[in-house]
Amino acid sequence: AQSVTQLDSQVPVFEEAPVELRCNYSSSVSVYLFWYVQYPNQGLQLLLKYLSGSTLVKGINGFEAEFNKSQTSFHLRKPSVHISDTAEYFCAVSGVGLEDKIIFGKGTRLHILP
Amino acid sequence: ETGVTQTPRHLVMGMTNKKSLKCEQHLGHNAMYWYKQSAKKPLELMFVYSLEERVENNSVPSRFSPECPNSSHLFLHLHTLQPEDSALYLCASSQALTGVGYEQFFGPGTRLTVL
Repeated sequence: AQSVTQLDSQVPVFEEAPVELRCNYSSSVSVYLFWYVQYPNQGLQLLLKYLSGSTLVKGINGFEAEFNKSQTSFHLRKPSVHISDTAEYFCAVSGVGLEDKIIFGKGTRLHILP
Repeated sequence: ETGVTQTPRHLVMGMTNKKSLKCEQHLGHNAMYWYKQSAKKPLELMFVYSLEERVENNSVPSRFSPECPNSSHLFLHLHTLQPEDSALYLCASSQALTGVGYEQFFGPGTRLTVL
C-alpha cells in the first residue's frame, strides 16, 4: 500500500519569492505521483503529474516538481509566487496496478504575503 | 456545461432529514468518485464507481447511500446524518480507474452542514 506525507500544513511566502512544498511518499512498488491545487470554494485541479520518463515535470501556472526515487520525494516548486497562488496544495500517489487507488496527502496551505 | 458539476453547492439539514447530493460529469468518463473533505483531515475516499458498478466502499456508514444510474450521473443519498458528517463532499471523475495514472477531475463540492 502507498502513503503520502506533506510535512508542512502551512507555508507563508512573500510575493515574488520562490517556494517549495514538500511531499514524501512510501511505496514498495512503482508509483504515479500528482500535485493538485484547491482554490477557495472550488474543487481540486490537477497541477502536474509524473507517470514515467523525465524526473522533472512542468505543470500549469509556472509550477514544476521533481521525482526523486532515492529520497521518495516529489517536491513542488515555483520560482516566483503571486497572490493568486494562494490555495491549498495536495500531493497524491497511486500504484500502477489497475486496482490501485489514488491516495492524497493532508494538504499544504500556501499563504502569499504582500 | 463542461467538466464536473455538483448540486446543491450548500446544504443545511437536520439529523432527521433525507437529502441527496447530485454530481454530473460532461467528460465522457467511466469512473466516478465521492470524497469527504473535513478540516485538518486528508481527503477521504468514500465510494468508487467504474462503468456504473460500485468497486469500492471504504467502510462508509450506511446513512450514506450512493447511486450511479449511468456513467454521467452520481448521487449520494443522505439520511439520519450526524453533526460530525458536516464537511465538503467532492465528486470526481476520471477516464478510467486511476491505477493507470488517469487524473481525476473534481467538481466544486457541496458544503454540507448537519444541525
